[in-house]
Amino acid sequence: DAGVIQSPRHEVTEMGQEVTLRCKPISGHNSLFWYRQTMMRGLELLIYFNNNVPIDDSGMPEDRFSAKMPNASFSTLKIQPSEPRDSAVYFCASSFMGRGGNQPQHFGDGTRLSIL
Amino acid sequence: GEDVEQSLFLSVREGDSSVINCTYTDSSSTYLYWYKQEPGAGLQLLTYIFSNMDMKQDQRLTVLLNKKDKHLSLRIADTQTGDSAIYFCAASEGGYQKVTFGTGTKLQVIP
Repeated sequence: DAGVIQSPRHEVTEMGQEVTLRCKPISGHNSLFWYRQTMMRGLELLIYFNNNVPIDDSGMPEDRFSAKMPNASFSTLKIQPSEPRDSAVYFCASSFMGRGGNQPQHFGDGTRLSIL
Repeated sequence: GEDVEQSLFLSVREGDSSVINCTYTDSSSTYLYWYKQEPGAGLQLLTYIFSNMDMKQDQRLTVLLNKKDKHLSLRIADTQTGDSAIYFCAASEGGYQKVTFGTGTKLQVIP
């Protein structure tokens, strides 16, 4: 079975550039999560969607960050303009949430982002 | 909000048992998880337990939950060098998908 697929795996760009991270959740999952992992702050939830609708974006650091989920099989996280402090590993995770209970989240392999 | 705490580092000898501990603060947490992260990879779900359970065993893994003390542990029997990784404890409420992760415990297995 295909897991959560993220692209690109690595991204190196100069500050001020726009960065777009992509995620394809597991087929059949209806919840999607974007996380950021750094040594200093650990794993932080940025935003999560349920049935393509953003439910909680309180973790989005500032207006430079935006996320979309145009359909059930695709999501993007965009940073514009990017800054060196945005350097981190960004993970996407997906799960199924239903009346019978919530399934655990499954993570992609992450995008390692370096802003120079 | 929920706070999940773990010790940062654990070192064990190959073949010994490892016990990684975790505490959480929200008594309404319904689901408790253990994830494993190897270098350069994402978090891999190892196992999870519902709050109405005291113990769950899965091959070499045993999860113990003390709901009164809000304490969760992961025991790895016969620890192997391939078990070297960072282990994350996490907790969530039943009706809400938001999961709070601990800082992770780095397990070092000495051959």
